[in-house]
This record gives sequence, C-alpha cells and structure tokens, in this order.
Amino acid sequence: SSELTQDPAVSVALGQTVRITCQGDSLRNYYASWYQQKPGQAPLLVFFGKKNRPSGIPDRFSGSNSGNTASLTITGAQAEDEADYYCNCRVSGGKDYVFGTGTRVTVL
Amino acid sequence: QLQLQESGPRLVKPSETLSLTCTVSGGSISSSSYYWGWIRQPPGRGLEWIASIYSSGTTSYNPSLKSRVTISVDTSKNQFSVNLSSVTAADTAFYYCSRHRVAVVDADKINWFDPWGQGTLVTVSS
Repeated sequence: SSELTQDPAVSVALGQTVRITCQGDSLRNYYASWYQQKPGQAPLLVFFGKKNRPSGIPDRFSGSNSGNTASLTITGAQAEDEADYYCNCRVSGGKDYVFGTGTRVTVL
Repeated sequence: QLQLQESGPRLVKPSETLSLTCTVSGGSISSSSYYWGWIRQPPGRGLEWIASIYSSGTTSYNPSLKSRVTISVDTSKNQFSVNLSSVTAADTAFYYCSRHRVAVVDADKINWFDPWGQGTLVTVSS
C-alpha cells in the first residue's frame, strides 16, 4: 500500500512533549519529510530525513524512524505549535509521492 | 530568497481544463538537483501531491490523476505549469506549487518540498 496513516488529532499540555506518528510501508525504504500547516497558510517544512531541520525551525522539532513508522516529536510544545502536521515520502517501487492523512495538534 | 507564486483562473467550469502557472523568483528554475511540484488541498481536507517536473523535462505523476494531468516547465520564463483536464467539483481545492528536492543524504533516501507558494483556491462550478 502507498498510504501514509496518521492519527487524526492529538493534544499536548503547554511545555510538554508530543509525538506525531506516520505509518506506511514506503517508510521502510524512504525517509519522511514533515510539514506544519496553520489555518489559512501554506504548509511549512519543519523536518526531513533522519536528522535535518530547515534553517529557522526551532530545535524542539525532531524526527525519528523505526520500521514502517516515522515520528515527529515536539519537545516543550509552545502555543504557536498548534497546527496540522503532515508527513510525506516517496512511494516504494514508484516515482510518485504521497502525503499522510494529517494530524491536528492542540496545545492546551 | 526563493519565492514561488501561483497564478491562473480562480473559477473553472465542469468538464473544462484547469490551468495554473507557478512563477519562481530569487533563483533559477534550471538549478540542478531540484524538481518543481504541484500539491493540492480540498478545503478542510488533507494534502495531495499532483505531479513534479525536473528542469530537463523529466516528470512524475500521481497515478490517480495521471490520465488528466500534464505538468510542464518554461525555463526561459522561470515558470512551470499544470493542466488538469475534465474537472469536476471534486477538483475544487487550494493548489500549491513548491520546489521539490529528491536526494540521497548520508545514504538516506529523502524527498522534501520547500519553499511553497501561498496557494490559490480554484473552484469548479458552472
């Protein structure tokens, strides 16, 4: 299957840690990239690969991978981290790409 | 700083062709190692990759849209475009263009989209 599955929603207390997961067979062969999308805005790349954080993205955003699961962790969540988060990777065996179903993060 | 801007009709009639152009500024679309992609998002829903193109013309398409989509690049204008034919209401969405990198970094196979255009809402309606 080429699908990437994410939990629809998670919540986290201000200052605490939240992990967002992305599951799919393609993640066994390709690393994920992660995007943050706030209401009315275009998605923003926040993490990609095993250890790559774009310039300007706080170091509280980190990524990890295990088998068919990729994870984005926000350590010490801030109010401004409240957003939708999407994973993305290449589809195994093909030249196409897929986005995850998205996770809405609420900071309490 | 690289910037991308989508342009094109905001309203398209059912069965017609949706055509959008992305203008790249602050860098060359002919830069090596980069693809250029289109992604869409129906209002209130998730992201869907449509297609990507290399400056040389190499393309890749979402299999579910491939029969209706054509992506092209005009290096002389620093632009790339997407056409989606036979549209229906289901094609109503925000359409984003983005620079797309596909790379092997420290033996890790990765792809990412960055930066993105601001997006444009295209409505399919008669």
